[in-house]
Amino acid sequence: QVQLQQWGAGLLKPSETLSLTCAVSGGSFNDYYWNWIRQPPGKGPEWIGEINHSGSTNFNPSLKSRVTISIDTSKNQFSLELGSVTAADTAVYYCARLVRGYLDLWGRGTLVTVSS
Amino acid sequence: QSLLTQPPSVSGAPGQRVTISCTGRSSNIGAGYDVYWYQQLPGTAPKLLIYGNSNRPSGVPDRFSGSKSGTSASLAVTGLQAEDEADYYCQSYDSSLSGYVFGTGTKVTVL
Repeated sequence: QVQLQQWGAGLLKPSETLSLTCAVSGGSFNDYYWNWIRQPPGKGPEWIGEINHSGSTNFNPSLKSRVTISIDTSKNQFSLELGSVTAADTAVYYCARLVRGYLDLWGRGTLVTVSS
Repeated sequence: QSLLTQPPSVSGAPGQRVTISCTGRSSNIGAGYDVYWYQQLPGTAPKLLIYGNSNRPSGVPDRFSGSKSGTSASLAVTGLQAEDEADYYCQSYDSSLSGYVFGTGTKVTVL
């Protein structure tokens, strides 16, 4: 049974860098694109970006200038960094597995709050 | 302006049928990209409900069905149950974004 476990800092100050990691266990790591999605309080999900085992990435244009997604295939982990955060970046951040265009497995989510 | 638009809320009595629309554009649904639907219960991650416009993953009741036509898609829930009270989101791929887009979300209330 494939599981996604995510972790990272939950409280940041404006201008700091958000950093989250997602570990994949129990299944194939190399056959998929691994994604980050965020959901601001009371709003719908927003796609942030994705990476595959080769390090090929795609990003939401609205966040591309501030986002880095990396992968460590030796540990079956992938990570998200979002720079220069503001209050508008406050959200629950999810890691998820993409299969043929849809997200079939999700992490439990990490609430990241940006506040001075 | 959202790339995928849904009604903010729909409601129905137990046993009734409700439908949720997802209106897209020529750069996403209208371009032929598949539509997917997710159910999100409070405090939990979205759960895949429909893939490939109308297919149900294993374990999803056949009370849930999806369809797509033109630049829109719909999710229908028949025999509404109290446990169906949740937020529902459509999702597709958008060529102008070169990425994935979610709908604005619909809250289903069971009266």
